[in-house]
Amino acid sequence: SQQGEEDPQALSIQEGENATMNCSYKTSINNLQWYRQNSGRGLVHLILIRSNEREKHSGRLRVTLDTSKKSSSLLITASRAADTASYFCATDESSDYKLSFGAGTTVTVRA
Amino acid sequence: KAGVTQTPRYLIKTRGQQVTLSCSPISGHRSVSWYQQTPGQGLQFLFEYFSETQRNKGNFPGRFSGRQFSNSRSEMNVSTLELGDSALYLCASGKGKQETQYFGPGTRLLVL
Repeated sequence: SQQGEEDPQALSIQEGENATMNCSYKTSINNLQWYRQNSGRGLVHLILIRSNEREKHSGRLRVTLDTSKKSSSLLITASRAADTASYFCATDESSDYKLSFGAGTTVTVRA
Repeated sequence: KAGVTQTPRYLIKTRGQQVTLSCSPISGHRSVSWYQQTPGQGLQFLFEYFSETQRNKGNFPGRFSGRQFSNSRSEMNVSTLELGDSALYLCASGKGKQETQYFGPGTRLLVL
């Protein structure tokens, strides 16, 4: 079963705009990771945020984590056509040796 | 540093056959995990190995098995293939629990 739920399922934005997607999960976690996937290829790791962190930045990416609400958000600023992809959140649960993925958000950046 | 490599990249099999997929982790990584990705079920965890020991297994039938070698390379095997086994199989490696998992490009399996 999937731990995370991404919202929205799909997002279409103009180049230069910001894209925000959310992830909610159910159980306590050690960390939460965001991945990008282009056209059914492998997953590219974007950022890892630990359960004791609230916000993290990496280039044009900003991730927040609210453990009290069991939710995270990924913000991509100044989007580019190359950001067109599916984005997944994955949680590393406290009691298990696996990542649990959500269904993903498909982002389309229009030129 | 070389990334996670998976072989083969594409595979076509027929029902009833068996298949072996291979994964070479990033040098120094001792944890290797396998995931199945399908349009209907999304990304689902198959199993995780650390230092040749399976530490966790997902909810897949016994036809799905795996192993890890002393050099951390891993293989997964699917016996008696079914049409529903058609999927992208992804391997990920990491230094251990609570660390970043790096994924390979995947093996796309088509069962006819």
